[in-house]
Amino acid sequence: DIVMTQSPSSLAVSAGETVTINCKSSQSLLYSGNQKNYLAWYQQKPGQSPKLLIYWASTRQSGVPDRFIGSGSGTDFTLTISSVQAEDLAIYYCQQYYDTPYTFGAGTKLELK
Amino acid sequence: QVQLKETGPGLVQPTQTLSITCTVSGFSLTSYYMQWVRQTPGKGLEWMGFIRSGGSTEYNSEFKSRLSISRDTSKNQVFLKMNSLKTEDTGVYYCARSRGAAMALGNWFAYWGQGTLVTVSS
Repeated sequence: DIVMTQSPSSLAVSAGETVTINCKSSQSLLYSGNQKNYLAWYQQKPGQSPKLLIYWASTRQSGVPDRFIGSGSGTDFTLTISSVQAEDLAIYYCQQYYDTPYTFGAGTKLELK
Repeated sequence: QVQLKETGPGLVQPTQTLSITCTVSGFSLTSYYMQWVRQTPGKGLEWMGFIRSGGSTEYNSEFKSRLSISRDTSKNQVFLKMNSLKTEDTGVYYCARSRGAAMALGNWFAYWGQGTLVTVSS
């Protein structure tokens, strides 16, 4: 199974700050056939189901604000949230869909400082 | 618009069988893959398995032979059944929609249901 390791596990931020969440996979998620990385990011707020933010490691889902930026390739990926808003306080998960069993990171909890 | 809603029993006794229904609207089950994902205190988010647009299934080996996923396209429903429940199966169970597992498509989970909380306890 592909293991997804996220860091940090929690992050305390002030509104307006830029934050970076890291995700590392135990094997490459870059498929040579199309040069795409099979990595998605989700946001989960308390009491809600996960919401897709980013797929193909860097493509924003429709309706997602452009302050959410996904980057990285191979085994190392980053979700950057620029100018954090209060509504961004949530847990963020990375997920690989390169191969089954699909696997998720343990999550990064974004909290207010 | 796309909607998914899970309905489950709430409380299940250990060793018993869990049955959850996911009712969908706004799309056809014959055009998309339907996934089951659960979230437990012990293991976080876990992919359980999917049913393909054509009706075949694939499961996470973690659940060995305990899990079964099926559907009724005429009722726009997808079903999860898992037997031999243990207390560590307590958690929220979600159905989610994805495009398909072919490498060209990308099988991220674009739409999720609200989830149904399952508590395994005697």
